[in-house]
Amino acid sequence: AQSVTQLDSQVPVFEEAPVELRCNYSSSVSVYLFWYVQYPNQGLQLLLKYLSGSTLVKGINGFEAEFNKSQTSFHLRKPSVHISDTAEYFCAVSGSGGSNYKLTFGKGTLLTVNP
Amino acid sequence: DTGVSQNPRHKITKRGQNVTFRCDPISEHNRLYWYRQTLGQGPEFLTYFQNEAQLEKSRLLSDRFSAERPKGSFSTLEIQRTEQGDSAMYLCASSSGGSGYGYTFGSGTRLTVV
Repeated sequence: AQSVTQLDSQVPVFEEAPVELRCNYSSSVSVYLFWYVQYPNQGLQLLLKYLSGSTLVKGINGFEAEFNKSQTSFHLRKPSVHISDTAEYFCAVSGSGGSNYKLTFGKGTLLTVNP
Repeated sequence: DTGVSQNPRHKITKRGQNVTFRCDPISEHNRLYWYRQTLGQGPEFLTYFQNEAQLEKSRLLSDRFSAERPKGSFSTLEIQRTEQGDSAMYLCASSSGGSGYGYTFGSGTRLTVV
């Protein structure tokens, strides 16, 4: 079984500032890691994913995340945020083996970008 | 590709009534998932279909819940004898493979039980 902890429920930042949304996971097996974004009244959209290989993964809208196996973390970063990045962000994990169909999500981090 | 479509978008029902939600996945996707999201929480896995076969049901899915995917196309989620605790957003997602392919989520059906 896997679990995900998103360390901040809310992150307010000013436009053009850098941001980091923190995510830690727990698992007894090898994992795949994901960040999804949810805009108001919309479904979740995949931002980026780590499956294997390079620990730094780049996603859409200028976001990137780094997989750190020793610290069991997968923090999301963006060097300069825009008002349009205001949304809820979910970190998720799945096993990389036969049970890789089931995603376990964190509780989410609400990113609010202020002018 | 019109994405994953869920209907209705909103449903208000009285306690004890039955409700049914529909999900139309992306046509090429053979895998379909239902998740439930309550306020302040991330989505929680409910059930998973590969084609028409329901391969896993979460313990969250009590006997009052049933899901089907006839002919491996659209899916329905029915809740019988609704309770106030069933109030949530019900999300459907589809994919062409395991989680590594990435899910495509619908916009969800928001259920309010009064």
